[in-house]
Amino acid sequence: GAVVSQHPSRVICKSGTSVKIECRSLDFQATTMFWYRQFPKQSLMLMATSNEGSKATYEQGVEKDKFLINHASLTLSTLTVTSAHPEDSSFYICSARDPRAGGAYNEQFFGPGTRLTVL
Amino acid sequence: DAKTTQPTSMDCAEGRAANLPCNHSTISGNEYVYWYRQIHSQGPQYIIHGLKNNETNEMASLIITEDRKSSTLILPHATLRDTAVYYCIVRVYNNNDMRFGAGTRLTVKP
Repeated sequence: GAVVSQHPSRVICKSGTSVKIECRSLDFQATTMFWYRQFPKQSLMLMATSNEGSKATYEQGVEKDKFLINHASLTLSTLTVTSAHPEDSSFYICSARDPRAGGAYNEQFFGPGTRLTVL
Repeated sequence: DAKTTQPTSMDCAEGRAANLPCNHSTISGNEYVYWYRQIHSQGPQYIIHGLKNNETNEMASLIITEDRKSSTLILPHATLRDTAVYYCIVRVYNNNDMRFGAGTRLTVKP
């Protein structure tokens, strides 16, 4: 299957700073990427859908000014957590959709995740 | 997308088959059944998906009932490395997003 990478794999930052997380589709062009957040012992929660060249669509309750998403190319989407606070500490996971897939082939692939810890 | 119901947790002996059930009684005709798993502190891993026929790949088999209201994921010979949370998701193929329920925590024991 297709490969999606994330960088960094883990980051520790001080409260009030901003953190950028990158999501890349390595062997396909992804017109759509998704960002999820996962708190300990909970399931993944969809935060936003990112379409290349257009503004992201945020889920209800997700602050778009706090979680800035940029999808400037077909292989890269970034999530910036602005003015991070301890309650933003979480596991952030991206996924990307491979538009070449059809029918019998899975079309959505997930990155390995980024563990954010805000002190 | 249709809602799914899975048991919270299951145990399985190493080397035995692990059978993970999923109920999706409100599934629509154009919705597929997807299975992903998440090993601790990793991103979800695709396992298998199907529409109405049973499917098999190198990882698992997917058995879908004739009325499509439930399905079972079968790991034929579970290993310790199959310990993970398994998510059953029902969605229209190529629909924009994939939403996760609570999943089933499978523990494979030696």
